[in-house]
Amino acid sequence: AQTVTQSQPEMSVQEAETVTLSCTYDTSESDYYLFWYKQPPSRQMILVIRQEAYKQQNATENRFSVNFQKAAKSFSLKISDSQLGDAAMYFCAYLIIQGAQKLVFGQGTRLTINP
Amino acid sequence: SQTIHQWPATLVQPVGSPLSLECTVEGTSNPNLYWYRQAAGRGLQLLFYSVGIGQISSEVPQNLSASRPQDRQFILSSKKLLLSDSGFYLCAWTSGPDRAKNIQYFGAGTRLSVL
Repeated sequence: AQTVTQSQPEMSVQEAETVTLSCTYDTSESDYYLFWYKQPPSRQMILVIRQEAYKQQNATENRFSVNFQKAAKSFSLKISDSQLGDAAMYFCAYLIIQGAQKLVFGQGTRLTINP
Repeated sequence: SQTIHQWPATLVQPVGSPLSLECTVEGTSNPNLYWYRQAAGRGLQLLFYSVGIGQISSEVPQNLSASRPQDRQFILSSKKLLLSDSGFYLCAWTSGPDRAKNIQYFGAGTRLSVL
């Protein structure tokens, strides 16, 4: 079964600095997708970034980028120039492509931005 | 544009009472629909998913059931709530180009407290 592990329950960073959130996953599949979702205090789940496993190039979305290491089954999220609005729970997720496209989530990392 | 509505936003119910949570998607057709539950301080766990009207798949045995009476309507129910049913319930959808990209979008969620 696929599992997703986020080993950092909490992280903090100074405003304008860079922070990296870790995620590892376990799968026997060769084709899959990985995601980072953000959950602010409103609890709305917001898609941050998406990575296709067959692409070697790391995905980027403005200040957000990933370091995807397929052999190591690692998928970390880097947030550059951290802003107060980045404070949230961040969830790493693996998508099972076969069938109905089910997401498997990690436990989450709570990110605090210090002004 | 597509939108997803979930209601109610907050619900407090006594143990043993029935439950009905509703999710409706607008602006799309034939979506995949999902119900997730988030326990306090935890990641999301998939409860049910549906690829079409009347087609429901359950991921975990539990006290809940789901139905899809219309193409864009997904309902989560229980005949008798348990204390362990408390949590944050999120509905999600994907369809069309987003399904091809394997992207799911989430509703605002329902916070359920069973007392």
